[in-house]
Amino acid sequence: GAGVSQSPSNKVTEKGKDVELRCDPISGHTALYWYRQSLGQGLEFLIYFQGNSAPDKSGLPSDRFSAERTGGSVSTLTIQRTQQEDSAVYLCASSSTGEEQYFGPGTRLTVT
Amino acid sequence: GQSLEQPSEVTAVEGAIVQINCTYQTSGFYGLSWYQQHDGGAPTFLSYNALDGLEETGRFSSFLSRSDSYGYLLLQELQMKDSASYFCAVSGGRRALTFGSGTRLQVQP
Repeated sequence: GAGVSQSPSNKVTEKGKDVELRCDPISGHTALYWYRQSLGQGLEFLIYFQGNSAPDKSGLPSDRFSAERTGGSVSTLTIQRTQQEDSAVYLCASSSTGEEQYFGPGTRLTVT
Repeated sequence: GQSLEQPSEVTAVEGAIVQINCTYQTSGFYGLSWYQQHDGGAPTFLSYNALDGLEETGRFSSFLSRSDSYGYLLLQELQMKDSASYFCAVSGGRRALTFGSGTRLQVQP
């Protein structure tokens, strides 16, 4: 079956611009996660959606970051007024159990 | 908060056995997971331990000691394709994962 998909795969943007990153989770997975990974580093938790519950936003690094999940499926991560330190690979994952997370291929964001 | 410690690099030869250790500190604990990530790829799930003991899946095994806040990933019969980064991760007070910085495994012929 289809895995987690993300778009775009690459995004180059100028400092100060807003960007939107999209995630399509595996159908039926109630949990959706956003992480980011800087080069050679581990994954940093950003935000977590579980069903219809209020999202866990405790990992968002600033109020420039926001995310929504529509209809319990597709999610969009928005970064406003991008900064160079936002450059990273943004990874989305989904899960049905919370024990095993399935990751998408990521969006490589470069802020110039 | 949550933090994890794992070695940054490990080198081994084909056919050998390698153990990657992970110690963690967390408030609340659901389980310890291991993920593999090849360069340029996405992390892929390897194993999950919620209870003490050893879980075996083919050439890979994972161990957890909750009392010691410690776990390890054991890779047997190493193959060149096992060269990758390996991350331990804990799910604590929230179900999202907190990842370690990763161990880069290099398998040599």
